[in-house]
Amino acid sequence: AQKVTQAQTEISVVEKEDVTLDCVYETRDTTYYLFWYKQPPSGELVFLIRRNSFDEQNEISGRYSWNFQKSTSSFNFTITASQVVDSAVYFCALKRTSGGGADGLTFGKGTHLIIQP
Amino acid sequence: EAGVAQSPRYKIIEKRQSVAFWCNPISGHATLYWYQQILGQGPKLLIQFQNNGVVDDSQLPKDRFSAERLKGVDSTLKIQPAKLEDSAVYLCASSEGLAGVYEQYFGPGTRLTVT
Repeated sequence: AQKVTQAQTEISVVEKEDVTLDCVYETRDTTYYLFWYKQPPSGELVFLIRRNSFDEQNEISGRYSWNFQKSTSSFNFTITASQVVDSAVYFCALKRTSGGGADGLTFGKGTHLIIQP
Repeated sequence: EAGVAQSPRYKIIEKRQSVAFWCNPISGHATLYWYQQILGQGPKLLIQFQNNGVVDDSQLPKDRFSAERLKGVDSTLKIQPAKLEDSAVYLCASSEGLAGVYEQYFGPGTRLTVT
């Protein structure tokens, strides 16, 4: 069975601080895909990044960076110099691999990030 | 490019009533998903369509939930009869293809309250 765990329910930091959101996953598949989504107060899920299990290189996009480590089954997300606009719920997700072309996502419970001015 | 459209945005019904949600995916997207997001939790996949065929409905409570995607474009999700625990946001997403290669684009969701 697949599972995504985001142990941090809520994180609150002051603007300009760096913050890391943790994600630990479980899967029996040798090939799999991981995602991060942002859900602002408006409610719409916004895609941030997709990573396949073959690519363990860290990725940086502006103030965002992701650290993928297969050895610890983790895919952590860091925001550098946080801003108030980063306040949202962030979800880590794993692509389902139940066969037959099924590829819906299994989401974690999310981390509510609060950036205080 | 227009995003995924959903309607209605909000719906309040009493338990045991029926309700239907509509989704229009991004033009050309063959794959369509319905997710249920209960307050404080991550979205949970209910059903996946590839064109007008069902690919995965293993987590759909089939005794009360049904979904269809006629002509491989728009989709409707129905609940009959609704229970209190069905209160949630129902999200529709679409993708050009497999999630590993293409991202899923989500609609704004329909917030259902069952009283």
